[in-house]
Amino acid sequence: EAGVAQSPRYKIIEKRQSVAFWCNPISGHATLYWYQQILGQGPKLLIQFQNNGVVDDSQLPKDRFSAERLKGVDSTLKIQPAKLEDSAVYLCASSLGRREGHEQYFGPGTRLTVT
Amino acid sequence: RKEVEQDPGPFNVPEGATVAFNCTYSNSASQSFFWYRQDCRKEPKLLMSVYSSGNEDGRFTAQLNRASQYISLLIRDSKLSDSATYLCVVNPAYNAGNMLTFGGGTRLMVKP
Repeated sequence: EAGVAQSPRYKIIEKRQSVAFWCNPISGHATLYWYQQILGQGPKLLIQFQNNGVVDDSQLPKDRFSAERLKGVDSTLKIQPAKLEDSAVYLCASSLGRREGHEQYFGPGTRLTVT
Repeated sequence: RKEVEQDPGPFNVPEGATVAFNCTYSNSASQSFFWYRQDCRKEPKLLMSVYSSGNEDGRFTAQLNRASQYISLLIRDSKLSDSATYLCVVNPAYNAGNMLTFGGGTRLMVKP
């Protein structure tokens, strides 16, 4: 079974530029998550989708971050404009559903460096 | 206070040693608990769930103490391949769906 796919794997941009990340979840997984992992810290949930609807985006900095999952499958996360403190690994995860017992499977992440 | 706190380590242990990690969580209403493993520059992967009665999977044993709000992970007979960061993870609220809060991780280095 194919895992969660993410691209690009690495991205270097200058501050104030914009960037977008793409995620393709495991086939059949209704729930998709975006996490931000700053070096030396654990992942922090940014947004959770159930199919094409947002379940929770309380920790998403909405002045610069946006995310969508228009057809309930692939998702994109955008940052515009980027700040130095956005340097992190952006992890996408998916699960069958929102039940607590549904394991979350993570993609390899996109490592963003903002200079 | 952080929602989930862990000693960042690193814990340096020889092969064959037994090592234990603890984690504390702040929300007494938390319902489910997990340990994830993250290798260097890789994604986190579920190691095991933590049940009220405790659970064991081979060399790994997880315990939950709700009264004191802490979770532990015991690794027996450490292998070189156990070297990784271990993330304590909590689902912080009843009926919140599959929302996970991660601790900062504890780094383990097993030496030959």
